[in-house]
Amino acid sequence: GQNIDQPTEMTATEGAIVQINCTYQTSGFNGLFWYQQHAGEAPTFLSYNVLDGLEEKGRFSSFLSRSKGYSYLLLKELQMKDSASYLCAVRDSNYQLIWGAGTKLIIKP
Amino acid sequence: TAGITQAPTSQILAAGRSMTLRCTQDMRHNAMYWYRQDLGLGLRLIHYSNTAGTTGKGEVPDGYSVSRANTDDFPLTLASAVPSQTSVYFCASSDSMGSGNSPLHFGNGTRLTVT
Repeated sequence: GQNIDQPTEMTATEGAIVQINCTYQTSGFNGLFWYQQHAGEAPTFLSYNVLDGLEEKGRFSSFLSRSKGYSYLLLKELQMKDSASYLCAVRDSNYQLIWGAGTKLIIKP
Repeated sequence: TAGITQAPTSQILAAGRSMTLRCTQDMRHNAMYWYRQDLGLGLRLIHYSNTAGTTGKGEVPDGYSVSRANTDDFPLTLASAVPSQTSVYFCASSDSMGSGNSPLHFGNGTRLTVT
């Protein structure tokens, strides 16, 4: 079966750096997405990786290793507004998105 | 820019009743999707549409039906609601289903409680 694994919850301190990991086993691979979802709101697109390596976008970076079935989202200079759930999703060989359950990130002052 | 509009925002529905969740997008996206989100689970695809006039079944289609009469609208109907359909429902759209780098844009969701 297809599976996406992420930690359920993480806690970090304002101003620090946090890395949220995602491992996947899917039938084929056509890209990996990270979304941010604040409580009670819709998911919003953060990043897309299809080739191995690091994609940097401001305070957020996303890394992909296809051979290891592994990605991480790196958040720098954490702010209180970064408290949210972070969803990892993989597009499989049929271009269907397989979603992880999300990682709830709690930022403490 | 409105993006994707869902209605209603929330609803309490008696078991056995029918209901249609509305979804409209103004981005001229070809593909549209309905997901349900339940605590502790990833988003699960109910139905999708690659383009106007076509629909397909997702991971959890039973008890739901959709139609795609035009590009903008993608309503989701529950014919006879059951308590297990209590969930938050998200409508989403993307420029294309068959393109890798085509992120989904989500509506604000409909919180449905079936009693």
